[in-house]
Amino acid sequence: DSGVTQTPKHLITATGQRVTLRCSPRSGDLSVYWYQQSLDQGLQFLIQYYNGEERAKGNILERFSAQQFPDLHSELNLSSLELGDSALYFCASSEGTGLYEQYFGPGTRLTVT
Amino acid sequence: QKEVEQDPGPLSVPEGAIVSLNCTYSNSAFQYFMWYRQYSRKGPELLMYTYSSGNKEDGRFTAQVDKSSKYISLFIRDSQPSDSATYLCAMSANAGGTSYGKLTFGQGTILTVHP
Repeated sequence: DSGVTQTPKHLITATGQRVTLRCSPRSGDLSVYWYQQSLDQGLQFLIQYYNGEERAKGNILERFSAQQFPDLHSELNLSSLELGDSALYFCASSEGTGLYEQYFGPGTRLTVT
Repeated sequence: QKEVEQDPGPLSVPEGAIVSLNCTYSNSAFQYFMWYRQYSRKGPELLMYTYSSGNKEDGRFTAQVDKSSKYISLFIRDSQPSDSATYLCAMSANAGGTSYGKLTFGQGTILTVHP
């Protein structure tokens, strides 16, 4: 158990809908990262927050947004969902914003029908 | 072309075999190299990381980096059925102040070690 929690574990929704994925980092970790894992694209970095501020951005679609709250939990919002958004979404956390070990949560499996 | 290329396998070996997993990369800015292991239905976990060319050993695992060839490897000695998992290489750069935390992953190699 990495200490990172993600909810929900599974999510099934329809195209066009909006969902929110939630992540609680390990105790004491200030950085939160979001990744998307799909069969064709592999594991891809989406976005990083450090102590409430956006720190780095990857290939995150405009339909996707994230935030980190004062209690350091983070949410990833996915809107206008398409079939191709079906994937595993992982959250990871680390102590700081430099080269620290990232601890991954168990993931949320999103299925868009 | 992807920045990081990794043979997806699958790779099937008998218990006790030496396993070699490899990645190549094209971005010269990558400075830090990691190997993650991912069991089915779990998140990735860090196995090893290194930032210099050469070898780094940890128990049955050896990570090798050749920056001149842009090639990294992970060797597993005396492989065990419990090593059966997907192995992902990952890399990080810090070009222009971008966070080191932005990891670029290979596709992952599925490894099965059979008794």
